[in-house]
Amino acid sequence: DADVTQTPRNRITKTGKRIMLECSQTKGHDRMYWYRQDPGLGLRLIYYSFDVKDINKGEISDGYSVSRQAQAKFSLSLESAIPNQTALYFCATSDSGTGPYGYTFGSGTRLTVV
Amino acid sequence: SQQGEEDPQALSIQEGENATMNCSYKTSINNLQWYRQNSGRGLVHLILIRSNEREKHSGRLRVTLDTSKKSSSLLITASRAADTASYFCAIGTYKYIFGTGTRLKVLA
Repeated sequence: DADVTQTPRNRITKTGKRIMLECSQTKGHDRMYWYRQDPGLGLRLIYYSFDVKDINKGEISDGYSVSRQAQAKFSLSLESAIPNQTALYFCATSDSGTGPYGYTFGSGTRLTVV
Repeated sequence: SQQGEEDPQALSIQEGENATMNCSYKTSINNLQWYRQNSGRGLVHLILIRSNEREKHSGRLRVTLDTSKKSSSLLITASRAADTASYFCAIGTYKYIFGTGTRLKVLA
């Protein structure tokens, strides 16, 4: 099994629908992140969490919300999806020990909003 | 912006040649990382270099960091077709800002 698992892998949804992307990890890492990737724009940070009770906005949090259900689970919600949220979404984790450490990424969720 | 900017945006080389890509940034950093992304897949961490380090090696990878010039370079020696991917630098401490990447194509 993958260290960081994202579900679903692909999703097509309609404008205005609520959708949740899920991420679970077996790395035992404290820190979890959500990024989106658009062609030519690289990865942009949406939200991040350093532990279950900690949630922080990234650079593009508008239109998104997150929930850290457990140390191993971090979900991203689009309350009312719009077409410009069509993108590749990545979950990542990192350790909080005496780092710094690199991220471990999931395989991504390709979201299309029509 | 703390975002790194990779250069060139795209690079095409023959198998066996060396590939060099660069990352420039504007603010002071604690460390800089390089990642590889195969088409449409998750990023893979390659190497991390701290601000007090000037050079690091990992297999065929060599990373340099020049904090006075606010730049880093990633050198892949003896490239292979399997090295075809996008390469990103990432800057930060506990949360990282990624550049837009260099698309490397290695021709067999």
